[in-house]
Amino acid sequence: EPVLTQSPATLSLSPGARATLSCRASHSISSNYLAWYQQKPGQAPRLLIYGASSRASGIPDRFTGRGSGTDFTLTITRLEPEDFAVYYCQQYSSSPFTFGPGTKVEIK
Amino acid sequence: EVQLVESGGGLAQPGRSLRLSCAASGFNFDDFAMHWVRQAPGKGLEWVSGISRRSLSVGYADSVRGRFTISRDDAKNSVYLQMNSLRAEDMARYYCAKGFYGDYAPGLVDFWGQGTLVTVSS
Repeated sequence: EPVLTQSPATLSLSPGARATLSCRASHSISSNYLAWYQQKPGQAPRLLIYGASSRASGIPDRFTGRGSGTDFTLTITRLEPEDFAVYYCQQYSSSPFTFGPGTKVEIK
Repeated sequence: EVQLVESGGGLAQPGRSLRLSCAASGFNFDDFAMHWVRQAPGKGLEWVSGISRRSLSVGYADSVRGRFTISRDDAKNSVYLQMNSLRAEDMARYYCAKGFYGDYAPGLVDFWGQGTLVTVSS
């Protein structure tokens, strides 16, 4: 199964800034079966993006996923206070379904 | 509204067993796969196991295969994780998650419960 790496490990930004998170796979993810989840402290993860670029129900359009093959990005165009959290990518193409180590987006 | 409520976590000694349960509501449980995902304290997410609708197929992470067993009871809208031969490295919060598809693979999950904490210690 693909191994996922995420960069940077921590992103320090101000509210209103643009955030770009990277997820790279050790080999190509078939059908672009790549998802992004947001997790806030003490909460369960929440699905943001699936199929590399489709927003889940209720997710604001400031969240955009792009990419294919081995390189994927999640962009948050204007950070809102509620967006400061940890973001995980996941490949769900081949079992076992692996997650990246996460990127923490923190307030600068 | 989708709701997933886990139970059954707690303290277990190494080598002992625990059975986790997850009660689901707010969607047609019969139509969807269900998964368990865990998170060790301060660490990232790890997919543990998934089960397809009607229990047609199951899958496990290498780290738990042969020790954990997933099952479901569609009459009770519930999914279970029987955990045997527990190890210190199994200590984590275990999340029950609804699959996006009817089959457990592809393994996309779209709703999560709040989790139940499993502590493994002597």
